[in-house]
Amino acid sequence: GAGVSQSPRYKVAKRGQDVALRCDPISGHVSLFWYQQALGQGPEFLTYFQNEAQLDKSGLPSDRFFAERPEGSVSTLKIQRTQQEDSAVYLCASSLVRWGQREKLFFGSGTQLSVL
Amino acid sequence: QQQVKQSPQSLIVQKGGISIINCAYENTAFDYFPWYQQFPGKGPALLIAIRPDVSEKKEGRFTISFNKSAKQFSLHIMDSQPGDSATYFCAARKTSGSRLTFGEGTQLTVNP
Repeated sequence: GAGVSQSPRYKVAKRGQDVALRCDPISGHVSLFWYQQALGQGPEFLTYFQNEAQLDKSGLPSDRFFAERPEGSVSTLKIQRTQQEDSAVYLCASSLVRWGQREKLFFGSGTQLSVL
Repeated sequence: QQQVKQSPQSLIVQKGGISIINCAYENTAFDYFPWYQQFPGKGPALLIAIRPDVSEKKEGRFTISFNKSAKQFSLHIMDSQPGDSATYFCAARKTSGSRLTFGEGTQLTVNP
């Protein structure tokens, strides 16, 4: 595809349910990021992958959050036992080169998660 | 702890006017300062970015002014157009880090 693709576009979950959010980065992009954007706020960093290696997961808010990128392309963000405070837009972003090399970051349109 | 503070929260400008959005940061380890534009229902898109070795960068109608000693940087949009109406975020990144730290955002409305 031409850009970063995220699915589903919208997800409604009951409190306590597990959810999985998918990100298809631009083909060939090495770096992949997940950000969380609460309503009316700026995005907040969750985690970073370089190819299949998760190099930084310090932004994950709790051990209920888990991300993987097993083959260095598609990534999945999983949230277990969802809580109302998890309601937000989850953004995925990718860049062609290793982070730090005058890279340009491309964001997807996000998955809007609502936990009832 | 808000490491990048952005103002104003909202801004209304007439078509053809200049829009100015300001950001201040605390961490002197930051070395990359991008601005992102976000339309409703879309992800942020990179608009323009600057590194601290220059004081100003211009791309078309968009200019970043950077004041290293004051730890402040700003976005100027010249000849603002209704199509510029969006939310703008400043951000910063550390030399050795991977994450971008974003400001709270400025909702810009350009009236025709």
